[in-house]
Amino acid sequence: AQSVTQLDSQVPVFEEAPVELRCNYSSSVSVYLFWYVQYPNQGLQLLLKYLSGSTLVKGINGFEAEFNKSQTSFHLRKPSVHISDTAEYFCAVRSSSGAGSYQLTFGKGTKLSVIP
Amino acid sequence: EAQVTQNPRYLITVTGKKLTVTCSQNMNHEYMSWYRQDPGLGLRQIYYSMNVEATDKGDVPEGYKVSRKEKRNFPLILESPSPNQTSLYFCASSPRLAGGDNEQFFGPGTRLTVL
Repeated sequence: AQSVTQLDSQVPVFEEAPVELRCNYSSSVSVYLFWYVQYPNQGLQLLLKYLSGSTLVKGINGFEAEFNKSQTSFHLRKPSVHISDTAEYFCAVRSSSGAGSYQLTFGKGTKLSVIP
Repeated sequence: EAQVTQNPRYLITVTGKKLTVTCSQNMNHEYMSWYRQDPGLGLRQIYYSMNVEATDKGDVPEGYKVSRKEKRNFPLILESPSPNQTSLYFCASSPRLAGGDNEQFFGPGTRLTVL
């Protein structure tokens, strides 16, 4: 079975400051990793994904994430946040093979609040 | 426009009254899935479908049914809704799921309240 832990439920940060949202996963097989964003009263939108290759992945809106296999982590970062980044962020994992390859498992979410 | 649509977007009902939430995608995707989102719990998968007539349980299937008679539609059925099924529901689809670059596209959500 696969699982995802998002270590912070809420992260307040001042505008133009850097931010890191933490995500750890567990799986007995290799995985694909995703970050989704949910703006208030909207559905989910894919920010970025790691499938294979380079461990540093760049996504939309200036976000990036780094896959660290030894630490089973996939932390999301942005060097300078804007008010418009206020949203809830979800980390998700899917196994690359086996029964878990048909299921996308989400973390509980991190609410990012950008303070003017 | 490529999209996943859900209807209704908002629904208030009473305990025990059967309801169906429809989901439709126009991208010819093989894989479809239903999730529920609850505060502090993130998204949890209810059911998924790998293709027509192929469905399987997710993590929280109790109290729900699904069917996949055609590729584009994947309705979620609550035969006898209860208050603990009050939640925000999302439908999603992807070209396929196993093996590779398959982004899931999400619908706009259905907010269900069961009194």
